[in-house]
Order: sequence, then C-alpha cells, then structure tokens
Amino acid sequence: AQSVSQHNHHVILSEAASLELGCNYSYGGTVNLFWYVQYPGQHLQLLLKYFSGDPLVKGIKGFEAEFIKSKFSFNLRKPSVQWSDTAEYFCAVTLMNRDDKIIFGKGTRLHILP
Amino acid sequence: ETGVTQTPRHLVMGMTNKKSLKCEQHLGHNAMYWYKQSAKKPLELMFVYNFKEQTENNSVPSRFSPECPNSSHLFLHLHTLQPEDSALYLCASSPGTGGSNTEAFFGQGTRLTVV
Repeated sequence: AQSVSQHNHHVILSEAASLELGCNYSYGGTVNLFWYVQYPGQHLQLLLKYFSGDPLVKGIKGFEAEFIKSKFSFNLRKPSVQWSDTAEYFCAVTLMNRDDKIIFGKGTRLHILP
Repeated sequence: ETGVTQTPRHLVMGMTNKKSLKCEQHLGHNAMYWYKQSAKKPLELMFVYNFKEQTENNSVPSRFSPECPNSSHLFLHLHTLQPEDSALYLCASSPGTGGSNTEAFFGQGTRLTVV
C-alpha cells in the first residue's frame, strides 16, 4: 500500500538553527508532493508543492523542499528557523492517475526555543 | 480563512446521540473530503466526493455517514459513536479528482469529544 513516512516525530531546535525534515513516499508512479503546516489552533495550510519542473521548490516563509525521485524523498528545509515556525508539519502525496486521494504522513511536531 | 468553513468548531456528544458536522466551500471546487486527525496517527482519509458522487470510502464504520447534497456542501452524520472516535475532523476541498495537479484546502476542523 502507498504510504508517506516522516522520520522525525518531534524536533526541538533553537532559533537560527537550520532545519531539515525528512519525507519519503512509497509509490512508483508519478506523484504530486506537498508540505502542509498546522500552527497551534489553526487550520492546515499549504507550505509548498511540487507538481513538475525544477525539483527544488520554494515555499512561503523561507521554506524550500527538494524532490529527489531516485530516493522517493521530498525533504523540507529552512536555513534559519524562527520561534514562529513552531507548528506541526505534514508531508503529503497525491498519486497521479489514481484520483486525487491525498496521503499524509504522521506529521512532525516542531518546537523552536526562543 | 481558506474558503472552507466547518461547523461546529467543537462538539461534545454522548454515545447515544446523533449529530452532524457541516462543511461548506465557496471555492468552486468539485471534490470534497473528510479526514480524521487523531493524536499520534497520520491524517486518515475517510470519504471522498467528486461531483457529489462518493468515490472513496476508506473502510469507515457505518456509524459515520457522509452526505454531499451539492458540490459546495458536505455533511458527516454521526450516531452511536465510541469514545475512540474523539478526534479532529477535517474537511477539505480541491478543484477535482482524476489525476490533475491539485492541492487541497482545509477547514479549521471540528474537535469532537465522545463521552
């Protein structure tokens, strides 16, 4: 069965530290890839997405992610985190040609220390 | 504000009650989804509707009954729930299904507590 794995369930960093959250998916076909963020008490919102083209995708708030097809990975990065980045981050995959069922990872809870 | 509105935001119900969750979107989308978000579990897709037709039922117990009267509204009818059904129920919409490049827009969710 198709799945999305997020390696880190809980990450704690100090402000200005660099961030990388891992995401791997299991599906051999064409995919759309997403990172969603859920700030405390707020709804899930899109951080960035990859459909095609340049595998390095830039999103809002200084986040970026790189799609590495050979590794089935779509890791999220930010060079210098801020306290306001404290949130839960979800990697998600849409399987092309298999309707738009969106499969989510378990999420990574990121806590930034001021 | 995402354009997807869910009501109520919070709901406490007994195991013998019947209640309904409502989702409304004004984005002109054709697909709507119900997800369940429990602690320490992945977001679980429950139901998918595309052009008002149910295209996915992800082995959800019959005590959850979805209804999609039109492309803008989606309901989740609840009856004889169990305490383990307590969770955040999220509604989402997207332009459509069928392998197109789409993203989902989420509502703020209904926090359900079954007592």
